[in-house]
Amino acid sequence: ETGVTQTPRHLVMGMTNKKSLKCEQHLGHNAMYWYKQSAKKPLELMFVYNFKEQTENNSVPSRFSPECPNSSHLFLHLHTLQPEDSALYLCASSQASGSMNEQFFGPGTRLTVL
Amino acid sequence: AQSVTQLGSHVSVSEGALVLLRCNYSSSVPPYLFWYVQYPNQGLQLLLKYTTGATLVKGINGFEAEFKKSETSFHLTKPSAHMSDAAEYFCAVSGTGRRALTFGSGTRLQVQP
Repeated sequence: ETGVTQTPRHLVMGMTNKKSLKCEQHLGHNAMYWYKQSAKKPLELMFVYNFKEQTENNSVPSRFSPECPNSSHLFLHLHTLQPEDSALYLCASSQASGSMNEQFFGPGTRLTVL
Repeated sequence: AQSVTQLGSHVSVSEGALVLLRCNYSSSVPPYLFWYVQYPNQGLQLLLKYTTGATLVKGINGFEAEFKKSETSFHLTKPSAHMSDAAEYFCAVSGTGRRALTFGSGTRLQVQP
């Protein structure tokens, strides 16, 4: 595997379910990100992790819970979601040092909340 | 704080015509600027980036962009559109020391045969 991978690619869940999205990067990066991409809205940054520590949380509801066990893996745990949470969730990674901050994106998980 | 404005949510061109996608930014520090492309059901792929140095930046697939500080612009161009260029294009800005990118709202490019 190369680059940034995300699983699953598609997920349908009910409002009472609990599920997790997984992201893995094979680039040796130390920063990882979760973005939400909804139809007709700009890309929204959700969380940023640097060296496994959360450094940014953009007022994301607590029904989204991120986890970063190491610099290569990032999870997004989902519970009691709402239909408006249906979106494409994108993971990205970059070098933690330096300010060039070129980010590499995974293919995304298309989430549908019923 | 940084912000990005992409003029035109949809742009349609004929195959072989010039492609021009507009991006204006605001930043309180010297910016690093990026253009990404997103094909249907895929993640974002970096087209090109400006960090320092030459203001005309060449990217993949024949695209280029010019950083104009006086106009706070970073417009994306391609001399001749191809059907495979149909996608959504995002401009993004990153200021010094900031870990995340600020994205524009995107421009969907249609290429007509």
